[in-house]
Amino acid sequence: NAGVMQNPRHLVRRRGQEARLRCSPMKGHSHVYWYRQLPEEGLKFMVYLQKENIIDESGMPKERFSAEFPKEGPSILRIQQVVRGDSAAYFCASSPLVRTDTQYFGPGTRLTVL
Amino acid sequence: AQTVTQSQPEMSVQEAETVTLSCTYDTSENNYYLFWYKQPPSRQMILVIRQEAYKQQNATENRFSVNFQKAAKSFSLKISDSQLGDTAMYFCAFMMQGGSEKLVFGKGTKLTVNP
Repeated sequence: NAGVMQNPRHLVRRRGQEARLRCSPMKGHSHVYWYRQLPEEGLKFMVYLQKENIIDESGMPKERFSAEFPKEGPSILRIQQVVRGDSAAYFCASSPLVRTDTQYFGPGTRLTVL
Repeated sequence: AQTVTQSQPEMSVQEAETVTLSCTYDTSENNYYLFWYKQPPSRQMILVIRQEAYKQQNATENRFSVNFQKAAKSFSLKISDSQLGDTAMYFCAFMMQGGSEKLVFGKGTKLTVNP
C-alpha cells in the first residue's frame, strides 16, 4: 500500500512565479491536510480538505495561497506570485474516513524562492 | 487556542541508554489526542506514538512509551535502549477531538544518539 505521495520533492521558483504542489493521499483516504515548515520550526497547519470541499482553511494566508482536492486527481496547493518568505517545506498528510485522528505524512516538497 | 511547548531544543544520549523528551500543552478541551512524530534527516514525518486523552493508561510502542499527566498537561516521550537510528527531530503534537482534526505542533527537540 503506497504511502502519501508528494511531487515535486524539490521546487525552485523565482519571485513572482507560481508554485504548484501536488499531493496524492494514501489509498482509501479521503481527508487531506497541508502543513508548512519554516526552517528550525515545527509544522504549521494550513488547510484541511475533503473531496471537493475545503473544511478548514484557518491557517492559509489570505492572499496568493489556494488549495483544492478535486473529485479526481491529487490535491493541489497553489502559491501565486511567490516571495522569498514562501521558501519552506510543505507537507501533505492524509487520514481515512473512519479514523480521522491519525494523519500519515508525505515526504514533503521543499520550495526555494530565488 | 491550543499551544504545545517543547522546552528542550536539543538533547543527546549514549547508544543503549534511555532518554526522556518533554512536552507540555495548553488547552481548555477535555477530549483530545496527543502524538509524537519523528523527523529524521530525510525530513519524512513518521508517527511514533499516539495517546487518547480519555485513556489513563500510557501508550507504548516497543521501545517508545509516554508519560501522560492530564492534570499537569504533560506528555513526555521515553525512548529506551536508544539506537543510532533514533537520531532525529522529535515533535510533540495536539489534536482536538471532534474539531477540524488539525495538528498543533511544538517546535521540536533535536535528539542525537552517540555511539
